[in-house]
Amino acid sequence: DAGVTQSPTHLIKTRGQQVTLRCSPKSGHDTVSWYQQALGQGPQFIFQYYEEEERQRGNFPDRFSGHQFPNYSSELNVNALLLGDSALYLCASSLEGRLAKNIQYFGAGTRLSVL
Amino acid sequence: AQSVTQLGSHVSVSEGALVLLRCNYSSSVPPYLFWYVQYPNQGLQLLLKYTSAATLVKGINGFEAEFKKSETSFHLTKPSAHMSDAAEYFCAVSDYFGNEKLTFGTGTRLTIIP
Repeated sequence: DAGVTQSPTHLIKTRGQQVTLRCSPKSGHDTVSWYQQALGQGPQFIFQYYEEEERQRGNFPDRFSGHQFPNYSSELNVNALLLGDSALYLCASSLEGRLAKNIQYFGAGTRLSVL
Repeated sequence: AQSVTQLGSHVSVSEGALVLLRCNYSSSVPPYLFWYVQYPNQGLQLLLKYTSAATLVKGINGFEAEFKKSETSFHLTKPSAHMSDAAEYFCAVSDYFGNEKLTFGTGTRLTIIP
């Protein structure tokens, strides 16, 4: 059973560029959440996608956008990159419904460096 | 609003000693609580979860945590530390009412002294 997979594992960009990160959820999961983890910090919630719609959003600017596809995979896009966007970006998947009790499974992350 | 406070950004214990990592939460609704572990250059692995069933929760790798509503705490313990336990540990809280975001603490780095 494949877990959550993310690509690429590492990425280097320069300020002002745009980046797209990808995530495939754990088999059977239908909800994808994205988190940003700055160095030495806990993960911060960016947004969550369910049924191809953004359902909830954290305190991140509109430069951060996303998409969910019919197969439940997801992309995170960041425009006009800033040095402060350098971080580990984590994708988590879960199964909608109270029986699932919001148990989120994380991928290994994409480490983005902005120069 | 929900929040988590992890007391002690760094904890060192000797191999074979008790591990105690502290987590206090704040939530206006019944919480779900989680402990995750992160090894260097890896993502987060779920250690254990509290979802309003038994207050003493057992997880993987010999870890357990006890939900104490009166103290708003969810401390993580392990009776005997092993070298392989060295990692970063995160406590997280989410809303009881569904597939809500996780709010994480700032983490505790656990070092095991041989």
